[in-house]
Amino acid sequence: GQQLNQSPQSMFIQEGEDVSMNCTSSSIFNTWLWYKQDPGEGPVLLIALYKAGELTSNGRLTAQFGITRKDSFLNISASIPSDVGIYFCAGQLREGETSGSRLTFGEGTQLTVNP
Amino acid sequence: DTGVSQNPRHKITKRGQNVTFRCDPISEHNRLYWYRQTLGQGPEFLTYFQNEAQLEKSRLLSDRFSAERPKGSFSTLEIQRTEQGDSAMYLCASSFTGLGTQYFGPGTRLTVL
Repeated sequence: GQQLNQSPQSMFIQEGEDVSMNCTSSSIFNTWLWYKQDPGEGPVLLIALYKAGELTSNGRLTAQFGITRKDSFLNISASIPSDVGIYFCAGQLREGETSGSRLTFGEGTQLTVNP
Repeated sequence: DTGVSQNPRHKITKRGQNVTFRCDPISEHNRLYWYRQTLGQGPEFLTYFQNEAQLEKSRLLSDRFSAERPKGSFSTLEIQRTEQGDSAMYLCASSFTGLGTQYFGPGTRLTVL
């Protein structure tokens, strides 16, 4: 089945630094999503990407849908302590296709921000 | 609050007991998904519904697991004869057909002793 490789697994940064994380897949996805999860809570949607090459921002967050449709990255600029958490990428095939609606998740990037 | 809600938030049970979880999706969403998440891993797909029809089930969904969405609104996930390996966070998500974005609830943390 499909697998998403997310890197890095963890990051320790100082407040104010920029952060970059990425996801790669052996298969093509038609939608890429980025979520943030705090301990004991469900994932919260940060950014959704629907077209290859698309670059989308949400405040200090910027994400891109790779041209090959097999990768995506997320950047966080000027990190703050509340950015701490686990960031997950997720890919979706195409609704209407077999297994098209399910999300396939990466293993997450644990971000720690030191004040 | 118009987000996805799940109850209970935590459940501790003894091995062999049956448990049932409930999910209430965002009201206008016709699709509802169940995922399972173990420590240190991303969520894994279990099953999903479009309205009341269960359209897909993962191989992870053993015959001890059953999900229903009888009126196309809330859904329940039942686990029969729980095993210690069932201990995990069970997440529900909802979406509207045609859009890939799925919105998650806070999850139900299951601990099987």
